[in-house]
Parts: sequence; C-alpha cells; structure tokens
Amino acid sequence: AQSVAQPEDQVNVAEGNPLTVKCTYSVSGNPYLFWYVQYPNRGLQFLLKYITGDNLVKGSYGFEAEFNKSQTSFHLKKPSALVSDSALYFCAVRDGTGGFKTIFGAGTRLFVKA
Amino acid sequence: NAGVTQTPKFQVLKTGQSMTLQCAQDMNHEYMSWYRQDPGMGLRLIHYSVGAGITDQGEVPNGYNVSRSTTEDFPLRLLSAAPSQTSVYFCASSYDLTEGNTIYFGEGSWLTVV
Repeated sequence: AQSVAQPEDQVNVAEGNPLTVKCTYSVSGNPYLFWYVQYPNRGLQFLLKYITGDNLVKGSYGFEAEFNKSQTSFHLKKPSALVSDSALYFCAVRDGTGGFKTIFGAGTRLFVKA
Repeated sequence: NAGVTQTPKFQVLKTGQSMTLQCAQDMNHEYMSWYRQDPGMGLRLIHYSVGAGITDQGEVPNGYNVSRSTTEDFPLRLLSAAPSQTSVYFCASSYDLTEGNTIYFGEGSWLTVV
C-alpha cells in the first residue's frame, strides 16, 4: 500500500534563510509526487509535481523539490524564505502503475519569522 | 473560471441529522473525490469517482454515501451525523489520474456535529 510520511509537524526558519520541508514515500510502482500548500481557512493549492525526468522540479512561488529514488524522498525547498510562505504544506503520492488514489501526508506547518 | 465549488462553507448539525455537501466542477474533469481533514492526520480519502455512474470507497468511507449522476456534480451525503464526523471536508477533481494530472481542490466545508 502507498504511504507518505512528513516527519516534522512544524518547521521554523528566519526570513531570508533557506527552508526544507521533508517528505518520504512508499509505493509499489513508480511514484507521482506532489506538493500542495494550504493557507488558513482555504483549500489546498498545487505547488509542484514530479512525474518523470529531471530529479529537481521547480514550482510556484520559488519553491522546488528534489526527487531521490534511492532514499524514496521528495523534499520541498526554497533558497530564501518569506514571511508569506508561512502555511501548511502537504506532500502527496500516487502510484504510477494506474491506481486512482492519491495519498496525502499529515502536513507540516512552516513558520517563517521576520 | 469557478473551478471546484463546494457548498455550504459552514454547517452545524445535531447528532443523527442527515445532510448533503454539494460539490460541482466546471473543468470537465472525470475524476472527483472527497477528503476530510483532521488535525495531525492530514487529508483522508472518503470516496472517489472516476466518471459518471462510477464510485468507489477510499480510506474512511463509513457513514458517508456518494453518487455521480453527472460529470459535474459529486455530492457527499452524511446519513446520520455523529460527532466523529466533525471535520473539514474538501472536494477535489482532476482531468484523470494518468500522467500525474494535478488534483484541484475546493475551498472546504467546515462541519460541526453537536
């Protein structure tokens, strides 16, 4: 069965510093991997995804993520954090062998301090 | 461009009452789903549909019914509300789930069962 783990409930960074939000996954086939962001009282917004190809994926708002097959990880990164990046971030995985279910992690709250 | 529209946004129910959360999308997406979001548990899949007339259970289907009579609509019915169903509910849609197509979310429905 597929699963996603986000090992940190909260990540705290200072504005201007680089940030990393961690995600590891488990699927039986090739993974489709996604990052979403949720602002207070809003739905989830798509940030970026990995389907195939280059292991470094660039997405919205300056975010990027690196797919590491050997470590089954898909960590979200940004070179310089902004206070406005403070939100709840979800990693998600879908089994690329044709399953219809997308499984989400528990979420990591990012807090960027000015 | 409306995207995924959910109603109502807020609802308070008494234990044992029934209600329907409405969801509509105007993107001609085949795949639709319902998730619930609970603190520390991320998003859990309740039911999903891969096309009109086709529905299937997700991770936590008990206490909920769905139907898909049209491509556009995917209502979620609570048959006899329980306090354990207090949660935030998100409807989502995607063109299909091949090639890692992105899932789009509605704004959420906050449900409290007293």
